[in-house]
Amino acid sequence: AQKVTQAQTEISVVEKEDVTLDCVYETRDTTYYLFWYKQPPSGELVFLIRRNSFDEQNEISGRYSWNFQKSTSSFNFTITASQVVDSAVYFCALSEAVRGYSTLTFGKGTMLLVSP
Amino acid sequence: EAQVTQNPRYLITVTGKKLTVTCSQNMNHEYMSWYRQDPGLGLRQIYYSMNVEVTDKGDVPEGYKVSRKEKRNFPLILESPSPNQTSLYFCASSLYSRSSYNEQFFGPGTRLTVL
Repeated sequence: AQKVTQAQTEISVVEKEDVTLDCVYETRDTTYYLFWYKQPPSGELVFLIRRNSFDEQNEISGRYSWNFQKSTSSFNFTITASQVVDSAVYFCALSEAVRGYSTLTFGKGTMLLVSP
Repeated sequence: EAQVTQNPRYLITVTGKKLTVTCSQNMNHEYMSWYRQDPGLGLRQIYYSMNVEVTDKGDVPEGYKVSRKEKRNFPLILESPSPNQTSLYFCASSLYSRSSYNEQFFGPGTRLTVL
């Protein structure tokens, strides 16, 4: 069973639009971590955020915000006023206690295309 | 500078020609792992190692071997590469604890093409 689902394969927006990337996860652990990574066209993985399962506070960092809802097992990522430089593949990932926390289970990724 | 290095960064090879992708970290991390990334599939774990001489299979280990003779190195070996192993490979390392998360450090990736 897929543990991290990113239902949106590709999203296209025009610059300055807001966009939300969805992430739904599945785990039996009570303690786990959720992540978002960005992969620009250059290929490297850029860490964006980590969230502990006990911390449901939403977080805002500049134009980025994250909405963590345990009730719906979702950890969605919103980019406000998108820019061309936001074009990338975005991965949501899960780290579980049962796997010793070090292993990350990734979603399939969402490709975001921001056009001028 | 704390980092994970991978070599080579790009490799084009032919079916059946053994190859090794090296991974090295300078942070004294116990845990190291390999992932492969394929379009539409995300990153999937190939093998991982919790310490020297301790390795275990991830989700997609077929066709790969690893070894962990030294703490800093975790090479990925393809004994007889096939075209379906064409992929982007990432090595990662972290401290290891069963009770808490430790930050994962990813290498820059190795783009492998098997003809």
